[in-house]
Amino acid sequence: SAVISQKPSRDICQRGTSLTIQCQVDSQVTMMFWYRQQPGQSLTLIATANQGSEATYESGFVIDKFPISRPNLTFSTLTVSNMSPEDSSIYLCSAASRGSDYGYTFGSGTRLTVV
Amino acid sequence: AQSVTQPDIHITVSEGASLELRCNYSYGATPYLFWYVQSPGQGLQLLLKYFSGDTLVQGIKGFEAEFKRSQSSFNLRKPSVHWSDAAEYFCAVGTNYNNNDMRFGAGTRLTVKP
Repeated sequence: SAVISQKPSRDICQRGTSLTIQCQVDSQVTMMFWYRQQPGQSLTLIATANQGSEATYESGFVIDKFPISRPNLTFSTLTVSNMSPEDSSIYLCSAASRGSDYGYTFGSGTRLTVV
Repeated sequence: AQSVTQPDIHITVSEGASLELRCNYSYGATPYLFWYVQSPGQGLQLLLKYFSGDTLVQGIKGFEAEFKRSQSSFNLRKPSVHWSDAAEYFCAVGTNYNNNDMRFGAGTRLTVKP
């Protein structure tokens, strides 16, 4: 399975600012995803990061708030824009493998606190 | 759309005791099923997965899970729990090979008593 490096691991940010989270995979993967995990909750899919095209967002998430880049098959970024305390969550990137190794691999997550 | 239910929010077991975490899914066809573990402050680690074939699946760290189509269940088991197994456990279901529709259960928090 792929190995994912995600950074920063945590950050404390002022409301109204933006934070960009980076996700680096050690091999080329077709699909990458960004999840949000609010305190004590399960994972909610934010968007699918598509290489060479715009991300596909899930209901309730918009590009202006969570712009995503996917410049190549090993890297993606998620920006949390104009942050408010409600954005305090763990943000996780994941990569999907096909074939016999089908499944998701997750980064270690970014714990974001907005004050 | 598919969905996953983990009926137990929190389970406490004694170290050395056996463990079973429940997972029920809703999907009309054969699903792709997964169990993940999340230690505090960490990302998710895949324990095991089921696609087809043998309904008893072996995973890492001594875990196993059994797919029971008649009960729409994919329960996770371990014969003897170690203190290091204390974590959050998530069951997940996917329905297509392209992997862009995975849905996660609410999670079960496992506490291990000495």
